[in-house]
Amino acid sequence: GAGVSQSPSNKVTEKGKDVELRCDPISGHTALYWYRQSLGQGLEFLIYFQGNSAPDKSGLPSDRFSAERTGGSVSTLTIQRTQQEDSAVYLCASSLRAGSGNTIYFGEGSWLTVV
Amino acid sequence: LAKTTQPISMDSYEGQEVNITCSHNNIATNDYITWYQQFPSQGPRFIIQGYKTKVTNEVASLFIPADRKSSTLSLPRVSLSDTAVYYCLVGDEVWDGNKLVFGAGTILRVKS
Repeated sequence: GAGVSQSPSNKVTEKGKDVELRCDPISGHTALYWYRQSLGQGLEFLIYFQGNSAPDKSGLPSDRFSAERTGGSVSTLTIQRTQQEDSAVYLCASSLRAGSGNTIYFGEGSWLTVV
Repeated sequence: LAKTTQPISMDSYEGQEVNITCSHNNIATNDYITWYQQFPSQGPRFIIQGYKTKVTNEVASLFIPADRKSSTLSLPRVSLSDTAVYYCLVGDEVWDGNKLVFGAGTILRVKS
């Protein structure tokens, strides 16, 4: 696609429910990243994929968070048993390749509110 | 991991030139310096990237001294719409990948 596409754009869920956030990267981009940004805060790195593998999962806040990427394209971030502190905007980004010098492009984000 | 330091906030007026400096004392040989702009309720947007000396595009200029331990983003003749958070990023290759860590950024407020 022309840009990084994320869905849903907004999600309100009840505490304890599971949510899935989807990211469709720019066509041909092999690297994909997930970040999180709470209201008024900076960007927090969660995980990145090179192809379908995730060499670095160190940013995932807890074992309730997981992510996968299939076919080297679409990625899904899953949050199980959501908590109110999970409320944030979840940003997906992609780049042609991983590595310094490659520009990463962000989507508009998925706004998650846990009530 | 190359840690960056930049001012928390800056104020300016329309029509002025704004210079935002970022310090990155531990920059590695292979690292590029990239600046992003983020408006409220939007994802960050790439502005400019450089390795050394000076880079200029239609939006901004980036000045990098010879030791590369700092860089300065220059925005010419800012307008109200340039009010945003500006992030300085320095890449760090981890294994065969890249993890970009965003700092707090600089909040730029442009006043009329």
